[in-house]
Amino acid sequence: NAGVTQTPKFRVLKTGQSMTLLCAQDMNHEYMYWYRQDPGMGLRLIHYSVGEGTTAKGEVPDGYNVSRLKKQNFLLGLESAAPSQTSVYFCASRRPEGGYTFGSGTRLTVV
Amino acid sequence: KNEVEQSPQNLTAQEGEFITINCSYSVGISALHWLQQHPGGGIVSLFMLSSGKKKHGRLIATINIQEKHSSLHITASHPRDSAVYICAVRSGNQFYFGTGTSLTVIP
Repeated sequence: NAGVTQTPKFRVLKTGQSMTLLCAQDMNHEYMYWYRQDPGMGLRLIHYSVGEGTTAKGEVPDGYNVSRLKKQNFLLGLESAAPSQTSVYFCASRRPEGGYTFGSGTRLTVV
Repeated sequence: KNEVEQSPQNLTAQEGEFITINCSYSVGISALHWLQQHPGGGIVSLFMLSSGKKKHGRLIATINIQEKHSSLHITASHPRDSAVYICAVRSGNQFYFGTGTSLTVIP
């Protein structure tokens, strides 16, 4: 099925551990985004990519790294997780006509 | 200060009521989006607007660029419309999101 797939859906990390969140889309979209959603703060852009091999910082990039080695995959990495990174993470890709397709989210808890 | 403000934050309506959710923004934009997030967490893109009005089924979205304001209307509301509705604007390469309006439609 066409869409945006995020893995994993849930994860619990200990402070200092690292992990990578995977976002995959099969719609050949150029633009991809990683957001975090926290209560009372709405969605905030972490990093985005306008095409294969390119990435750029969003509003809250600190503590995260990203890579877009293949057009269909956008990876979000946490090198040393902190409790402040407990959040729900959403990946999205932008359709050529401008609308967005979102993944189902990854709920991350850092203890 | 948030670049995007939504009102109300919470809204409870009886089934069949006409619902309006408002969004005001303070930056210049190239497009405004309305998103719907269901209790399970999934987010669906409802509308993208740069001017005027769009309609999809019972949903209508309008935007007034001069006033920097958009509204999302739901006609003949139904319990399945219960969700969080999020307004988002694109300004250059930046995206700004409202904190959402939580809508509950009671049968």
